[in-house]
Amino acid sequence: EVQLVESGGGLVQPGGSLRLSCAASGFTFSRDWMSWVRQAPGMGLEWVANIKQDGSQKYYVDSVKGRFTISRDNAKNSLYLQMSSLRVEDTAVYYCARDGLPAALNDWGQGTLVTVSS
Amino acid sequence: QSALTQPASVSGSPGQSITISCTGTSSDVGGHNYVSWYQQYPGKAPKLMIYEVSNRPSGVPDRFSGAKSGNTASLTISGLQAEDEADYYCSSYTSSSTQVFGGGTKLTVL
Repeated sequence: EVQLVESGGGLVQPGGSLRLSCAASGFTFSRDWMSWVRQAPGMGLEWVANIKQDGSQKYYVDSVKGRFTISRDNAKNSLYLQMSSLRVEDTAVYYCARDGLPAALNDWGQGTLVTVSS
Repeated sequence: QSALTQPASVSGSPGQSITISCTGTSSDVGGHNYVSWYQQYPGKAPKLMIYEVSNRPSGVPDRFSGAKSGNTASLTISGLQAEDEADYYCSSYTSSSTQVFGGGTKLTVL
């Protein structure tokens, strides 16, 4: 059974930093692209970033470029999202997702809440 | 990277069919056959229902179908059931190698 478990969310002040982690199991992690998707309270889904199997390619939504960095450790079956210069509008549930199919997210974690507030 | 356009809400009675549209541009929906659809219940993670415009992952009922014409994709649910009441999101690959979601559609089963 595929499992994706996010952690690292919490309350942070504007301008602060936070690192999210996603522990993967139940599939060969190193074979798939991985993504982060977020959902602000009461709002829709927003794709944030993804990373190729070997970490050689990374893509980001414009609103987080230069502030967020996606990375992975295939030896630890883990995905990360380093977030800096956080803004109030970054407040959301952040989901880790497996890009197991072409441009489609076929497995999702339960999400971790990030709240940016003073 | 503008969000794809979906109707805010649709509704239908049990047994009926409904269609949710998803309109983008030639840089996303119209330019690739990588449109997917997700179902989300309140407080839960999304679930993939359709990928590559019209393919269903294992376990998704064949009542769910997808199609695309030009810059508009669509999700059709036939034989509507109470359990289909949820939010539905479309997503597309883009020419910038990113992905973009639609704003979401709330389906109400009357």
